[in-house]
This record gives sequence, structure tokens and C-alpha cells, in this order.
Amino acid sequence: EDKVVQSPLSLVVHEGDTVTLNCSYEVTNFRSLLWYKQEKKAPTFLFMLTSSGIEKKSGRLSSILDKKELFSILNITATQTGDSAIYLCAVKSSGDKLTFGTGTRLAVRP
Amino acid sequence: DTAVSQTPKYLVTQMGNDKSIKCEQNLGHDTMYWYKQDSKKFLKIMFSYNNKELIINETVPNRFSPKSPDKAHLNLHINSLELGDSAVYFCASSPLRGGDGDTGELFFGEGSRLTVL
Repeated sequence: EDKVVQSPLSLVVHEGDTVTLNCSYEVTNFRSLLWYKQEKKAPTFLFMLTSSGIEKKSGRLSSILDKKELFSILNITATQTGDSAIYLCAVKSSGDKLTFGTGTRLAVRP
Repeated sequence: DTAVSQTPKYLVTQMGNDKSIKCEQNLGHDTMYWYKQDSKKFLKIMFSYNNKELIINETVPNRFSPKSPDKAHLNLHINSLELGDSAVYFCASSPLRGGDGDTGELFFGEGSRLTVL
């Protein structure tokens, strides 16, 4: 069975801090890894990663994938209170299946 | 315009009742999904339909029956509701499976919070 594990489960930081969220996976027929941000309602898409070592960047957020070690990290620099959310990692395998991790709950204090 | 819309957003009902949640997407996507998110925020796939055809059917009680009248709609009917069915149910869609537009990204609806008393 496909498995996606995220750590830490929760994290509290202060504005301006830098955080690193981790995602490791065990899936058959890996196709891509995706990061989502979930605030109050629906998850919203952040990044999709398919190749090792290529950093994806969007503003203060960046992510990278290591297909050899089977993990990805999501970095957020200069955190703001608006970054408070649950960050979900998901892995797409064959058969059109997307398996989610349990998420990391990030709280950014002023 | 809302890309993926679900109704109702909130549903409170008694054990044993039957209820339905409707989902519509106006993105022209071929694939639609139902996910269940429990109280610990764990998102787990239930069903996936590609162009009205059932593709993924995870280990879900047969009290749950999806129906896709056309590729823009995927409804979820639940019979004989149980306490453990209380959760937020998310509908999602994605572009053509395996095609050039298939980035793996899911577009989620806002969720339907079901509470079974």
C-alpha cells in the first residue's frame, strides 16, 4: 500500500522564522509529488515535483524532491501569520491515485 | 465562477438516514474524485471517475455509492449513515489522466461537512 509520511505533525514559529517541512514516501510507480496548503476550506495547490534536485520556487516558498532517498522538503522563509495552515504532501502513482500524508499544521505567531 | 462546487456545504443528520452530496465542475476536466477528510485532517481517496467510468474504488463500505451522470458531475450517495461517517467530504477534479495536461494537480471543492448524530 502506498504510504506518505509528513513531519513534524505540527509546528509553532514566530514571524520571520524559516521552516522546513518534510515528506517521505513509499509508493509503487511514482509519477509526481505535490504540495498543497489548506487553510479553512479546500486545499490549494502549491507545487508539483517530478524530477530530483530541481528546486521549485514561488515567492518565499520553495520545494525540492529527492527520488533516490524518497523524500521532499518544503521551505518557507520569512514566515508570516498568513502562512498558518496545514501543509499537505501527496504522491501520485500509477492508476491515477493520489495518496496524501497526514499533513503538517503550521502556526505562525506575530 | 466556482470551478468545483459542492452542495450542501453543511449537513447534519441522524444515524440511519440516507443522504446525498452533489458535485459539479466547470473546468472541462475528465477525472473527478471524492475524498474524505477525518477529524485529524487526513485526506483519503474514496472514488475516482474518468469520463463517467469508475477508476478507483478504495476500501469504502458499499453504503457509499458514487454516481456520475456526465463527466462534469459526480454525486455521492450514502445509505444508513453511521457516526463514523462524520467528516468533511471533498470533491475534486483533474485534467485528462495521462494526457499532456495531466500535472497530477487536483482542483478541490470547498468541502461538505457531514455530521451524523
